Amino acid sequence: GESVGLHLPTLSVQEGDNSIINCAYSNSASDYFIWYKQESGKGPQFIIDIRSNMDKRQGQRVTVLLNKTVKHLSLQIAATQPGDSAVYFCAEGLSGYSTLTFGKGTMLLVSP
Amino acid sequence: ETGVTQSPTHLIKTRGQQVTLRCSSQSGHNTVSWYQQALGQGPQFIFQYYREEENGRGNFPPRFSGLQFPNYSSELNVNALELDDSALYLCASTLAGGGQEQYFGPGTRLTVT
Repeated sequence: GESVGLHLPTLSVQEGDNSIINCAYSNSASDYFIWYKQESGKGPQFIIDIRSNMDKRQGQRVTVLLNKTVKHLSLQIAATQPGDSAVYFCAEGLSGYSTLTFGKGTMLLVSP
Repeated sequence: ETGVTQSPTHLIKTRGQQVTLRCSSQSGHNTVSWYQQALGQGPQFIFQYYREEENGRGNFPPRFSGLQFPNYSSELNVNALELDDSALYLCASTLAGGGQEQYFGPGTRLTVT
């Protein structure tokens, strides 16, 4: 499939490392945030979300941190695996509105 | 798999032509959003449909239009195609109410020559 990662910031890690992907969001009124994973030739796949009344949320091998003061979001992936290689997007939204605004994306490359 | 399907997978059109892309939402989802994703960029919101009515629109010209049907499937129509319309077109379904996870389809890759 075609690459979705041209001209994107890239994070290269070794298998087993922890990965941290960062995102600056744009709207201080946004109260809902999502991380999506997009593999080449596929649509975005939900990873984890967080609401603005929280500053941390954990899933399976993933943690999202939210800093509303500086409008910053991060995704931490523990024990990164080659299957985690993809482009990762953060997206922001407003409760009551289903539309999402996506960031530019970061390509994660995991070497065996 | 999200349960959201799109057709066709790939499409090649000539500048000035019209195109219709189709999306079948996940069962029970009454809201569908369409996004345009240029190569190397994040998805950009085109518009959203809820109960067959347009319910929000991004910064796209009127030649981008849509329909939602009673079974919640939908179409994206683009008239007078331009070279810059070449992109991956994604639809995403969700339950109305906002702040809900959106389930994306695999997209339709449109190439305009």
